[in-house]
This record gives sequence, structure tokens and C-alpha cells, in this order.
Amino acid sequence: QKEVEQNSGPLSVPEGAIASLNCTYSDRGSQSFFWYRQYSGKSPELIMSIYSNGDKEDGRFTAQLNKASQYVSLLIRDSQPSDSATYLCAVNGRNTPLVFGKGTRLSVIA
Amino acid sequence: KAGVTQTPRYLIKTRGQQVTLSCSPISGHRSVSWYQQTPGQGLQFLFEYFSETQRNKGNFPGRFSGRQFSNSRSEMNVSTLELGDSALYLCASSPGLAGVLGETQYFGPGTRLLVL
Repeated sequence: QKEVEQNSGPLSVPEGAIASLNCTYSDRGSQSFFWYRQYSGKSPELIMSIYSNGDKEDGRFTAQLNKASQYVSLLIRDSQPSDSATYLCAVNGRNTPLVFGKGTRLSVIA
Repeated sequence: KAGVTQTPRYLIKTRGQQVTLSCSPISGHRSVSWYQQTPGQGLQFLFEYFSETQRNKGNFPGRFSGRQFSNSRSEMNVSTLELGDSALYLCASSPGLAGVLGETQYFGPGTRLLVL
């Protein structure tokens, strides 16, 4: 059973701080890693994808992947109240469907 | 480019009925995947269709079925509805097979199904 684990939160950070969201996965054959943001009552929206070890930056977002430790994280710099949402980590392997974690709820306090 | 569209957006049914949900992928996308989202279980994969063929199937009973048409539009059907089928049903599309390196799925707004 392929699993993706996330801390459910809520993770509360003050406005302007760095939010750090973490995700671990069980399948060593996983090759694609995604972070989605989901606002309450809305559908998931892609934030970032990462495929190789290391960091990938896009604006205020940085995804970090460590395949040896089976760990992927998302850093949000200069957090804004509009970043308050549930963040979903998703992983898939070769020709296998996406497996989602249950999400971490982030609350950015103004 | 228009995003993924799903119809209807909201649906209320009673136990024992059946329901059909529709999904139109982003233009040019050939893969459509369906997910069920509930507060307790999170997002769970139902099935993926690519070029009118089911490529992957999740761990759901046979009451859940789907199909894809030649224009890549997809439908999913749930027969003999149960109370536990109440959920947000999400469709996602990608240009190619979802499990191929570099492929990214984009989600539609979902259909919220309530079974009474």
C-alpha cells in the first residue's frame, strides 16, 4: 500500500514568516512529486512539481526533495493571510496514479 | 485555454439511485483521472482513462464505473448509491498518462454529491 503522510495541522504562522510543510512517502519507486493548494470548498490547485533531488524555487515557494530519506517539503516565504489553505502533497511512480496525503492545514495570522 | 470543467456542480440523490458525472478536460489533454474526496479519507483515486481506455483503477467497488469518449470527455457513473458515497468528486486532466515523469494533473471544480 503506497502511502503519503502529512501532518494534518493546523500549522499557524505569523504573517511574513516562513511556513514549512512536510511530507513523507513510502514507495521508493516514486518519481514525481507535487504540491497542491486547496482552499475551503474549492478544488486543488497546482503550486509546484519536483522530480529530482534538491531545491526548486518559484517565487515565494520552494520545494525540496530528498529521495534517500523519502521526504519532500514545501517552504512558503513571506507568508500571507491569502496562503491560508490546505496543502496537499501528491506522489506517483512510473505508470501509477497519484497518491495524495491528507493535507496540512496552514493558517497565516495577520 | 479553458480549464477542466465538470457538470453538474451540485447533486442531491437518494440511496439506491444512480448518478452520472461529466468531465471535459483541458483542450489537448488525453488523460482524465477521477478522484473522490471526503473529510475522513482525503483524496482517493478512482480511475484514469487515456485514449478511451481505462489505464488504472483504484480500490473502489464495481458500482463505480467510468468511460472516456473519443473527444477525451469522460463520464463516471455510480450505481445503487449509498450514504457513504456523499463526497466531492474531482476530475483531473493531463496531456499524457498521469504516471509518466513530467506529466502534471490539473483539477476541475468538482461535483459535490449528497446522498440522502
